[in-house]
Amino acid sequence: ELKVEQNPLFLSMQEGKNYTIYCNYSTTSDRLYWYRQDPGKSLESLFVLLSNGAVKQEGRLMASLDTKARLSTLHITAAVHDLSATYFCAVAGDNNDMRFGAGTRLTVKP
Amino acid sequence: GAGVSQSPSNKVTEKGKDVELRCDPISGHTALYWYRQSLGQGLEFLIYFQGNSAPDKSGLPSDRFSAERTGGSVSTLTIQRTQQEDSAVYLCASSLAGGWAVSYFGPGTRLTVT
Repeated sequence: ELKVEQNPLFLSMQEGKNYTIYCNYSTTSDRLYWYRQDPGKSLESLFVLLSNGAVKQEGRLMASLDTKARLSTLHITAAVHDLSATYFCAVAGDNNDMRFGAGTRLTVKP
Repeated sequence: GAGVSQSPSNKVTEKGKDVELRCDPISGHTALYWYRQSLGQGLEFLIYFQGNSAPDKSGLPSDRFSAERTGGSVSTLTIQRTQQEDSAVYLCASSLAGGWAVSYFGPGTRLTVT
């Protein structure tokens, strides 16, 4: 069974600092997605990574995928308060099902 | 609207009653997923449909849970004899091509079993 692990689960950052969220998964896959969820809201797509070495950037967020290591990272640069949210990674399995990590709850403090 | 819709948005039911949750995916999306999210928790995979068939039912927590999809469109998730531990937000998502495409999520149905 495909398992997806994220760490850390909770992250408190100061504004202006950098940090990385890690997403490890258990089987071979070259399809990985990052989503954001604000409190009380549903999930919205951030990044789609569909090949080894893929890197995507949007504003202060950058995501990368290493399929050989079965690892994706979400790097936060110079954090600002409006990045506070829960971030999920999701991996597509052989059956095209999608399994999610437990989420990283990010809080950016002034 | 062009997004995924779910109904009802909120449902309060008594323990032991049956409930039916509905998901209307984005038109043309062949893949449909159901997830469950308990308060402050991650997403628990329940079931995945490709068209009307469900290649993976492994996530359904018990035989009280069932789901169907008709016409490659609307899906219903049915929970029989609800228990308090069934209380959660049930999220539906659809995508164009299963794991090869972004999933778009509905707003969820908040189920409370009293």
